Amino acid sequence: DTGVSQNPRHKITKRGQNVTFRCDPISEHNRLYWYRQTLGQGPEFLTYFQNEAQLEKSRLLSDRFSAERPKGSFSTLEIQRTEQGDSAMYLCASSPGWSPPYNEQFFGPGTRLTVL
Amino acid sequence: GIQVEQSPPDLILQEGANSTLRCNFSDSVNNLQWFHQNPWGQLINLFYIPSGTKQNGRLSATTVATERYSLLYISSSQTTDSGVYFCAVEGEGSSNTGKLIFGQGTTLQVKP
Repeated sequence: DTGVSQNPRHKITKRGQNVTFRCDPISEHNRLYWYRQTLGQGPEFLTYFQNEAQLEKSRLLSDRFSAERPKGSFSTLEIQRTEQGDSAMYLCASSPGWSPPYNEQFFGPGTRLTVL
Repeated sequence: GIQVEQSPPDLILQEGANSTLRCNFSDSVNNLQWFHQNPWGQLINLFYIPSGTKQNGRLSATTVATERYSLLYISSSQTTDSGVYFCAVEGEGSSNTGKLIFGQGTTLQVKP
């Protein structure tokens, strides 16, 4: 059973550009989460999917951010018109949702975004 | 929302020493996890422990849910234990979404 994977691992972009990150959860996990971590802080929740439905979004997720999970498998997180304040590590996690422990989350290696 | 506080913020140990990391939370929880973040940023699962006691090798954890705290014990520390340790909780009021609220972490440095 492979773990959560994320691509790319690193992304450097110029302010104002759009970026998209991908997350592939653990197979058969129906819950998927996105978090953001800035230097010296703990991760902060951004959004949550159960299968293909996006059920919760944090106030941190401005209208420049959009996330999808079209077939209930992989997910994408897009940031439009990037700003320097978007520089962070973006972490994806998945949990089973259907077998105990239902909510134990497993994290991917993250995508480190640098906005110049 | 639920608050999570970890202590101490920083800890320096000599190899072979034991340590205790603490996590206090402000409300009842459905889930509590301990993670170790390695230098590359990967969060490694240590324990899923909303209540009770678990042990895994040199590591053990105890959560006393009624008193709203959890402890992570590291015995006979090794240099590879260095890194940041996070406690994360899912509050009972989270509508069963599973979203985790993280503490600020404890940065552990183990010296040879």
